[in-house]
Amino acid sequence: EAGVAQSPRYKIIEKRQSVAFWCNPISGHATLYWYQQILGQGPKLLIQFQNNGVVDDSQLPKDRFSAERLKGVDSTLKIQPAKLEDSAVYLCASSIVAGGQYNEQFFGPGTRLTVL
Amino acid sequence: GENVEQHPSTLSVQEGDSAVIKCTYSDSASNYFPWYKQELGKRPQLIIDIRSNVGEKKDQRIAVTLNKTAKHFSLHITETQPEDSAVYFCAASPIHTGNQFYFGTGTSLTVIP
Repeated sequence: EAGVAQSPRYKIIEKRQSVAFWCNPISGHATLYWYQQILGQGPKLLIQFQNNGVVDDSQLPKDRFSAERLKGVDSTLKIQPAKLEDSAVYLCASSIVAGGQYNEQFFGPGTRLTVL
Repeated sequence: GENVEQHPSTLSVQEGDSAVIKCTYSDSASNYFPWYKQELGKRPQLIIDIRSNVGEKKDQRIAVTLNKTAKHFSLHITETQPEDSAVYFCAASPIHTGNQFYFGTGTSLTVIP
């Protein structure tokens, strides 16, 4: 099966500029996650979607970050305006829904963001 | 929220030796513990996982143990090979979070030929 797709793979912007990342999950995966992975750290969850609804966005810095999954498939994550500390790899992951059971999250290749 | 600590941060072993990575978690409601391997510049990939009703799970050279009382779990790699060199992340998923994963800070494993 095709994996999770993300684009772009790399992005370099100046601080205070805006940037958007795109994710296409594995077909049939209802749950989609966006993570931020700062160099030398583990992935940190930013937002979780179930179909096109937000399950948890408590770790999303909502003053500058926004995310949407309008049709329950593709998702975009936006940063506006970017700060230096936003430099990181942004990972998208998806998983199936199976009532109450834990399921593997499949990760995309990530987008490496550098803010200058 | 859940807090996962992982040790060591770096680990070097000779090819053929064993490697052990340890993690602790804070939320007693965590019921699922996956381990991911991330090679340089690549996506994290699941290598093994364990659920709270099992104390140990093995898959060829890889094994994971879980001690729910002490809230810690470990990854064991035997007969290490150079291709095992990567960063390994443990994670915990509390039952009330709907499959959310809380990751440790990672262990960079180097297998010396």
